Amino acid sequence: KQEVTQIPAALSVPEGENLVLNCSFTDSAIYNLQWFRQDPGKGLTSLLLIQSSQREQTSGRLNASLDKSSGRSTLYIAASQPGDSATYLCAVPPTLSGSARQLTFGSGTQLTVLP
Amino acid sequence: GAVVSQHPSRVICKSGTSVKIECRSLDFQATTMFWYRQFPKKSLMLMATSNEGSKATYEQGVEKDKFLINHASLTLSTLTVTSAHPEDSSFYICSAAVSNTGELFFGEGSRLTVL
Repeated sequence: KQEVTQIPAALSVPEGENLVLNCSFTDSAIYNLQWFRQDPGKGLTSLLLIQSSQREQTSGRLNASLDKSSGRSTLYIAASQPGDSATYLCAVPPTLSGSARQLTFGSGTQLTVLP
Repeated sequence: GAVVSQHPSRVICKSGTSVKIECRSLDFQATTMFWYRQFPKKSLMLMATSNEGSKATYEQGVEKDKFLINHASLTLSTLTVTSAHPEDSSFYICSAAVSNTGELFFGEGSRLTVL
């Protein structure tokens, strides 16, 4: 059974800092890995999707990397802003034999960027 | 990205009543949608997979008769919480996948409070 772990559970940084969020998964046979953002009381916003054949994806100040062999992904946020404050979740499908769309979620990293 | 809309965003009901939550894919067709439940400060728990034109697939431990799912069209899935009780109070979120990439998009979530 796929298990996804995110470290740290919470992170507080001053505005302007670069930061890294970590995600690890136990079964490396995945279709893809997706990073989401969730604001309090809201749904999830897709940030980046990395296919299993890719090593990284970039969108604006966000860069996500994927190392399947070690079962790890990182989300790098450059020049953090108070508006980046949210909970960040990573998610992967269970295994190649399972449904690619039945994601297993990590417990999230709650990020606070202080002005 | 693709848009998934949920309605209502908040609902308060009396114990014993039934509540229906709608999930719509606004700019794409989704043969499969997913329903999740999220407890405070916890990650998402997959409840069921909703398949257009056929019965939903429920995760272990989720009561089929309590949580009725109907996926009557390629753009609409509904979750009905029947005979709701206070322990059903939670945040319910739906998602749908874009078929060519497998990327999942989420609704804004529905906060159910059962008095």
